[in-house]
Amino acid sequence: KAGVTQTPRYLIKTRGQQVTLSCSPISGHRSVSWYQQTPGQGLQFLFEYFSETQRNKGNFPGRFSGRQFSNSRSEMNVSTLELGDSALYLCASSLGLTGMNTEAFFGQGTRLTVV
Amino acid sequence: AQSVTQLGSHVSVSEGALVLLRCNYSSSVPPYLFWYVQYPNQGLQLLLKYTSAATLVKGINGFEAEFKKSETSFHLTKPSAHMSDAAEYFCAVSDIGSSNTGKLIFGQGTTLQVKP
Repeated sequence: KAGVTQTPRYLIKTRGQQVTLSCSPISGHRSVSWYQQTPGQGLQFLFEYFSETQRNKGNFPGRFSGRQFSNSRSEMNVSTLELGDSALYLCASSLGLTGMNTEAFFGQGTRLTVV
Repeated sequence: AQSVTQLGSHVSVSEGALVLLRCNYSSSVPPYLFWYVQYPNQGLQLLLKYTSAATLVKGINGFEAEFKKSETSFHLTKPSAHMSDAAEYFCAVSDIGSSNTGKLIFGQGTTLQVKP
């Protein structure tokens, strides 16, 4: 079966712009989580959606937002981009809520570069 | 809050040698623990997970990990390293919040180098 698909794979944006990243989970999975990966901070949890509802949120400013659609596909949006937002953004899908004895399957990520 | 510490940001072994990657966690309740591997420009792939069943967990590609509650450790081992094992490895713990929603908390990662 198809894995987690993230689009686009690479993105270059200018400071102050906004960006939308997309994640299509594995068919049948209802949970989608987003993580930011940087060399300095490592992997940090952004938020998790389950059945179109945000169930958990990490310590990121309000510029970072997300949503989930009825087909479980998810998007995350970053507004007013800053240089420090340059990172690999990873999406993970799972049958149930992440960590609850369910396996999280990760996509290949979207590499965002802010210039 | 739960946390994960991976000892050693870089580990170098010779091909055929034992691989030992260390992970310690802090948790006030029995945790779910995971090891993931990441190859360059790729996402994370689950190697194995501990969910309070057997303390010795076997995963893919010959890796295994032992949960030791007394030491709050979950070290990853492989008897004989392959060149293809060169990658970055992450230990993670699930953080079950008050609303029973989970998120993964990752360690800083350990880069494994395998020398021929």
